[in-house]
Amino acid sequence: GAVVSQHPSWVICKSGTSVKIECRSLDFQATTMFWYRQFPKQSLMLMATSNEGSKATYEQGVEKDKFLINHASLTLSTLTVTSAHPEDSSFYICSAPVGPYEQYFGPGTRLTVT
Amino acid sequence: QKEVEQDPGPLSVPEGAIVSLNCTYSNSAFQYFMWYRQYSRKGPELLMYTYSSGNKEDGRFTAQVDKSSKYISLFIRDSQPSDSATYLCASRKMDSSYKLIFGSGTRLLVRP
Repeated sequence: GAVVSQHPSWVICKSGTSVKIECRSLDFQATTMFWYRQFPKQSLMLMATSNEGSKATYEQGVEKDKFLINHASLTLSTLTVTSAHPEDSSFYICSAPVGPYEQYFGPGTRLTVT
Repeated sequence: QKEVEQDPGPLSVPEGAIVSLNCTYSNSAFQYFMWYRQYSRKGPELLMYTYSSGNKEDGRFTAQVDKSSKYISLFIRDSQPSDSATYLCASRKMDSSYKLIFGSGTRLLVRP
């Protein structure tokens, strides 16, 4: 299957700082990517749809100014958590669709805000 | 009501057992159905996908969709301890958004 990578895999930051997470499609082009967050023992919660060349579409309840998404190219989307707080600590995962059935996920990024 | 419902488990079975994982969905517009496996602190891995109703088999895995009852199933034959993970069902409409709606996930433990 297609490969999606994320960097970093784990990041610890101090409260009030910003953190950038990268999502890359390694062997295919992705005009659309999705960002999810997942709390322990819970399912994935879709945060936003990242669109190459246009603004991201955010799900209801997700703060656009806090979670900045930039789809810089057909293989790269970034999520920046601005002014992070401990409640932003979570597992962030990106995905990219390949055709109507297949959607591949990255390995996830664990964010810990102290 | 969630659009995709899934029993969270945990489901504990002995090695070699046949496992049945199930989801129900409420949105008649869903046309594509997928099963993902997620190990702890890893991204979900696509296991199976089906379009509309019917069965699909891949090795020890069989995915089944019954659109009349809005029921999605995944069967695992000859279960192995390495199958211990969380299994997520997902559905999506036949539109251009590609958005997946996930169930809550079922934790499976296969005991040696």
